Amino acid sequence: KAGVTQTPRYLIKTRGQQVTLSCSPISGHRSVSWYQQTPGQGLQFLFEYFSETQRNKGNFPGRFSGRQFSNSRSEMNVSTLELGDSALYLCASSTDRGAYGYTFGSGTRLTVV
Amino acid sequence: TQLLEQSPQFLSIQEGENLTVYCNSSSVFSSLQWYRQEPGEGPVLLVTVVTGGEVKKLKRLTFQFGDARKDSSLHITAAQPGDTGLYLCAGDSSYKLIFGSGTRLLVRP
Repeated sequence: KAGVTQTPRYLIKTRGQQVTLSCSPISGHRSVSWYQQTPGQGLQFLFEYFSETQRNKGNFPGRFSGRQFSNSRSEMNVSTLELGDSALYLCASSTDRGAYGYTFGSGTRLTVV
Repeated sequence: TQLLEQSPQFLSIQEGENLTVYCNSSSVFSSLQWYRQEPGEGPVLLVTVVTGGEVKKLKRLTFQFGDARKDSSLHITAAQPGDTGLYLCAGDSSYKLIFGSGTRLLVRP
């Protein structure tokens, strides 16, 4: 079966711009989570959606937002980009609670200049 | 705040050697998951341990969950160059994963 698909793979943006990242989960997976990975902070949880409802949110500023559509596809948006937002953004999907494991996409590498 | 401390941070060993990676927390997790990540890719799930005291084996990899479900270990027997990568432990809690800082393993031929 197809894995988790994230688009685009690479993105270069200028400070102050906004960006939208997309994630298509594995077919049948209704939970989609987003993580930010940086060399200094490692992997940090952004938010999780299940059936279009946000069930948990990490400790990130309001510039970071997300949503999930009825087909379980998800998008995350970052407004007013800062240099520190440069990171690998990873999407993960699971069947429900994820207690038995998540499947991650290859990520979107965002560079803010 | 839930934290997972992973050690060691870096490990460089010769092919054929054994190694153990540790993952410790003061918090209880509903499950502990181990992932391996290659450069430029997302983490790939190796195993999930759910029950305190549980031991799971995946070929040369042995995973253990502590009795109190706060800590876990990954033991690799006779490491091979193909085992090189970033190993991450993650605790599952309230619809999110808390990740350890990772162990970067290099197995030299």
